[in-house]
Amino acid sequence: SQKIEQNSEALNIQEGKTATLTCNYTNYSPAYLQWYRQDPGRGPVFLLLIRENEKEKRKERLKVTFDTTLKQSLFHITASQPADSATYLCALDLGSGGYQKVTFGTGTKLQVIP
Amino acid sequence: DGGITQSPKYLFRKEGQNVTLSCEQNLNHDAMYWYRQDPGQGLRLIYYSQIVNDFQKGDIAEGYSVSREKKESFPLTVTSAQKNPTAFYLCASSEFKTASYEQYFGPGTRLTVT
Repeated sequence: SQKIEQNSEALNIQEGKTATLTCNYTNYSPAYLQWYRQDPGRGPVFLLLIRENEKEKRKERLKVTFDTTLKQSLFHITASQPADSATYLCALDLGSGGYQKVTFGTGTKLQVIP
Repeated sequence: DGGITQSPKYLFRKEGQNVTLSCEQNLNHDAMYWYRQDPGQGLRLIYYSQIVNDFQKGDIAEGYSVSREKKESFPLTVTSAQKNPTAFYLCASSEFKTASYEQYFGPGTRLTVT
C-alpha cells in the first residue's frame, strides 16, 4: 500500500537559516505532490503543488523539489522566520477515474528559533 | 469572503449519542471531503463527494454517515457505532475538475465523547 514518510521529529532551526523538510513515498508514482501548512488547532492551508514533470517550484521564500526517481520531495523555506513555525504536511495524489484522492503524511513540526 | 465554515468548533457528547458536524462552503466547489486527524497521525479520509446526491466511502467510513443534498453543504454524522469518535474533524473542498487540485480546509471541529 501507499506509504508517505515525513520526519516525525520536530525540526528546530535558527531564524534566518534555510529549513529543509523531507517527504518520501513508496509504492506509487503520483501525478503531483502538494505541501500544506497547519497551525495548532486549525485546518491545513495549501502552499504549493508540483507535478511529476516539474523538477522544482518556487513561491516567494518557498521552494519545492520533486524527484520521482528517488520518490522524494524536499520543501525549503529560505530566510526562515519565527512566523514560519508550524506543522508542514505533504500530500500525494492517488486520483483515478477523475476523483482526486489525496493521501497526507503525518507532517513535520518546524520550530524557528529567534 | 469565500471559504469553508465548520460548526461548532468544540463539541462534547456522551457515549451512545449520534452527533452531526456541519460543513458549508461558498466556493462553488464540486468536491467535498471529510477527514479525521488524531495526534501523531496524518489526515484520514472518511467520506468524499464529487457531486450533489452522490458520495463515496473513504478509508475509515465505518461508524460515520454523510449527505450531500446541496452543493454547498456536506454534513457528517458520527454515530454511536463509531468506536473511538474523539478526534479533530476537518472538512475540505476542491475544484477537482480543473488543473488546480488544492484542497481548501475549514477550521475544524474538535469532538470529545465521554
